[in-house]
Amino acid sequence: DVVMAQSPLSLPVTLGQPASISCRSSQSLVYSDGNTYLNWFQQRPGQSPRRLIYKVSKRDSGVPDRFSGSGSGTDFTLKISRVEAEDVGVYYCMQGIQRPYTFGQGTKLEIK
Amino acid sequence: EVRLVESGGGLVQPGGSLRLSCAASGFTFSDYDLDWVRQAPGKGLEWVGRGWNKFNSYIIEYAASVKGRFTISRNDSESSVYLQMNSLKTEDTAVYYCARDHWGSLEYWGQGTLVTVSS
Repeated sequence: DVVMAQSPLSLPVTLGQPASISCRSSQSLVYSDGNTYLNWFQQRPGQSPRRLIYKVSKRDSGVPDRFSGSGSGTDFTLKISRVEAEDVGVYYCMQGIQRPYTFGQGTKLEIK
Repeated sequence: EVRLVESGGGLVQPGGSLRLSCAASGFTFSDYDLDWVRQAPGKGLEWVGRGWNKFNSYIIEYAASVKGRFTISRNDSESSVYLQMNSLKTEDTAVYYCARDHWGSLEYWGQGTLVTVSS
């Protein structure tokens, strides 16, 4: 199985400041079609997960442009340019290149 | 609007069975793969399995942790996917989500249904 490792696991951030979450996979997430199947999800307290980013950097409709994804191969990053109160929650990366799909451990973002 | 609504959760004893349902609306159900993902209390996300669509011969795939105990099925005419869970263990206690799968990504999720396995 592909192992996904996130860091940090806890991320206290001051409102208005940037935040960055790293995700590393145990093998390349580049598929034979040339696409890289790395996703980011946000789970606010008491809510279901919500997809933010797919294929490394494609933002879902309705996701604020302060969220951005980058990376390649086995090394990926989710960045929030200016953290807002509504960004509190847990963020997960997930690989979609092979089943079983696997998730990172989650990064808990809180306001400092 | 895409909507996924899970139901059927509850309290069950170890060794028991439970059947979860996920009713879909807002899209052509038969065109999509549907997955089940679970989340134990206070823990992270774990993929449970996937029901492929008709174009992929309705193939079913499972996580090793549930293979042989859980069965995924779907009824395209009712726009529903099901998760039959047998021989339940305490470690199966979790919120179970269904999610629409499209090209290696879980783009829409339901609100989840809680399954508690306890004596």
